[in-house]
Amino acid sequence: EPEVTQTPSHQVTQMGQEVILRCVPISNHLYFYWYRQILGQKVEFLVSFYNNEISEKSEIFDDQFSVERPDGSNFTLKIRSTKLEDSAMYFCASSGLTGDGYTFGSGTRLTVV
Amino acid sequence: GENVEQHPSTLSVQEGDSAVIKCTYSDSASNYFPWYKQELGKGPQLIIDIRSNVGEKKDQRIAVTLNKTAKHFSLHITETQPEDSAVYFCAAGRFSGGSYIPTFGRGTSLIVHP
Repeated sequence: EPEVTQTPSHQVTQMGQEVILRCVPISNHLYFYWYRQILGQKVEFLVSFYNNEISEKSEIFDDQFSVERPDGSNFTLKIRSTKLEDSAMYFCASSGLTGDGYTFGSGTRLTVV
Repeated sequence: GENVEQHPSTLSVQEGDSAVIKCTYSDSASNYFPWYKQELGKGPQLIIDIRSNVGEKKDQRIAVTLNKTAKHFSLHITETQPEDSAVYFCAAGRFSGGSYIPTFGRGTSLIVHP
């Protein structure tokens, strides 16, 4: 069964540092998403990406965040100048043209110290 | 925006019993309601979904019901097994083109005792 792959599985970074979280969506999917889940809380939408541009973003997705699809397979989330409150699980997801096959990756646990 | 409430936050049952998790939503324009199972250290996995033109859907031991008028939907798991133990999230939202951005409930931790 096709999978969304995320790397690394766990990232520890110092406050103020930049991090890049990587995702390989399912190969024929066209919509890509990032979500965040703070420990013990609900999954929250950050941003959606289609046709090489952001299609929607939440209030959480401020100027410290950016996304990129640098090549035909990767989809990245960059967090500039990380803060302690950025510590969370970050999930990537992808879906097909009609929203079919909506699949989440296993997540990257980001710990900011 | 959409607001999804989910109850209970914790549900403990004996193996073989049924489990019911309930959610309400606020946006009458929401048209797609997936349920996700999240095991420790993994991402949410879709287990069943329902669209707004359907009132009930069943897949083996799992069923989902939707009441559009009351804006609530429920997950029913029958003959629970220990491997059903996980956190379950409901979600609600609208498809816009091919994009779907669900609003999640807070999750229900289901514990099935052998």
